[in-house]
Amino acid sequence: GEDVEQSLFLSVREGDSSVINCTYTDSSSTYLYWYKQEPGAGLQLLTYIFSNMDMKQDQRLTVLLNKKDKHLSLRIADTQTGDSAIYFCADSGAGSYQLTFGKGTKLSVIP
Amino acid sequence: NAGVTQTPKFQVLKTGQSMTLQCAQDMNHEYMSWYRQDPGMGLRLIHYSVGAGITDQGEVPNGYNVSRSTTEDFPLRLLSAAPSQTSVYFCASSASGQEYEQYFGPGTRLTVT
Repeated sequence: GEDVEQSLFLSVREGDSSVINCTYTDSSSTYLYWYKQEPGAGLQLLTYIFSNMDMKQDQRLTVLLNKKDKHLSLRIADTQTGDSAIYFCADSGAGSYQLTFGKGTKLSVIP
Repeated sequence: NAGVTQTPKFQVLKTGQSMTLQCAQDMNHEYMSWYRQDPGMGLRLIHYSVGAGITDQGEVPNGYNVSRSTTEDFPLRLLSAAPSQTSVYFCASSASGQEYEQYFGPGTRLTVT
């Protein structure tokens, strides 16, 4: 089946930039997503990018998409302790509501 | 709007018991789905529904039943719980044509002993 891969852990110092990477295999992916999950909580949609875009910026968040390499990244500028969470990459096919998730990257922010 | 609500928040079952996990949304969303989250496994789709009266299987449907009699509710039934069903269960919903914007509930943490 289709797969979404991401590294499991990332540790950064407060104030630095964080970059979380993701690769996917489904060439028909239409939307790619980043979700945030804080401890004991549900998933919060952070941002998504349509597959015909290269970049999307939203305040401190920058999403880069390399469709040729099927690589997605999330950059968090000026990382704060409140950004400590698990970040999930996900994709969905054209017209599909079904999300395929990666295993999540646990971001730890060191004060 | 309450968004997507799930009850209960926590549940402990013995092997073989049955129970229903409740999910409701007040946004008039046509699409609803159930995922399970296991450590190191990410989220996997169990069942989904594109509208009242229509349900279909996801990646891991075995051991679970669903029905969708109203737009608002999408309960998930475990007929005979097994320890392998110990997990955190999330319900999600989105509006028709807005598959890029799915809203997740807070989750139900289920332990089967």
